[in-house]
Amino acid sequence: DTGVSQDPRHKITKRGQNVTFRCDPISEHNRLYWYRQTLGQGPEFLTYFQNEAQLEKSRLLSDRFSAERPKGSFSTLEIQRTEQGDSAMYLCASSLSDVSFFGPGTRLTVL
Amino acid sequence: AQSVTQLDSHVSVSEGTPVLLRCNYSSSYSPSLFWYVQHPNKGLQLLLKYTSAATLVKGINGFEAEFKKSETSFHLTKPSAHMSDAAEYFCVCSPGTYKYIFGTGTRLKVLA
Repeated sequence: DTGVSQDPRHKITKRGQNVTFRCDPISEHNRLYWYRQTLGQGPEFLTYFQNEAQLEKSRLLSDRFSAERPKGSFSTLEIQRTEQGDSAMYLCASSLSDVSFFGPGTRLTVL
Repeated sequence: AQSVTQLDSHVSVSEGTPVLLRCNYSSSYSPSLFWYVQHPNKGLQLLLKYTSAATLVKGINGFEAEFKKSETSFHLTKPSAHMSDAAEYFCVCSPGTYKYIFGTGTRLKVLA
C-alpha cells in the first residue's frame, strides 16, 4: 500500500496521560499536515511541515501538543496531559502539490 | 478570512435519482476548491478539484461540480445516485497556500 498510513488507528487513554501518534506519508511527498476532526465537524488544520521544517501551527495547537518530522519522512504528534476535549480523530495528510492525500486517521478517546 | 459553508448537513435521495450537495465559499480571490468523500473507517478521498482551468469539473464515480464565481458556489452533482455513494462529503477551500479549510460536511443517504 503506497498511501498515507497512521498508527495506531485507535487509542484509548485516561485523562492526564501522554499519547503519541505516528504518520507515514507517501514517500515522495515533501509536505505533511495534521488535522483534527471532531464529531459532526469537518477536519481543522493543526500544523504543516515542508520537509523537516514545521512552517505553521494553528492556534488550536496548544502547548500540550507537539509535532515533529525528523529527516523529513514520518511525523509524530504528541499530546501531553490529555484532556477529555482532546477526544477526536487525528488525520494526517501529505502532498506534493495542491492535492492532499489523507490517511485513515487515529481515533483518540480520553476517559 | 476564507470559509466554506455546506448548506445541508444531511441529504437523502432515492437510488437512481440525482444528487445535489451545496457548497458556498468565501475568499478574497479565486481559491482552489475541492470535494472529498469520507466513507466510514476510510480516509478522505479526493472526488474532484477546481483550479480555474474550467468551471465545470468532472470527478470520479460520475460526480461533477460547477464553479460559479458570481454566486461563490461550488455545488456537487451526480445524475444518478448509487447505494455506494452513501458517505460524508466535504467541500474544501485552499486559499492559495497549502492548508485546507473544510466545510462541516454533508451526510448523503441513499434509499433503496
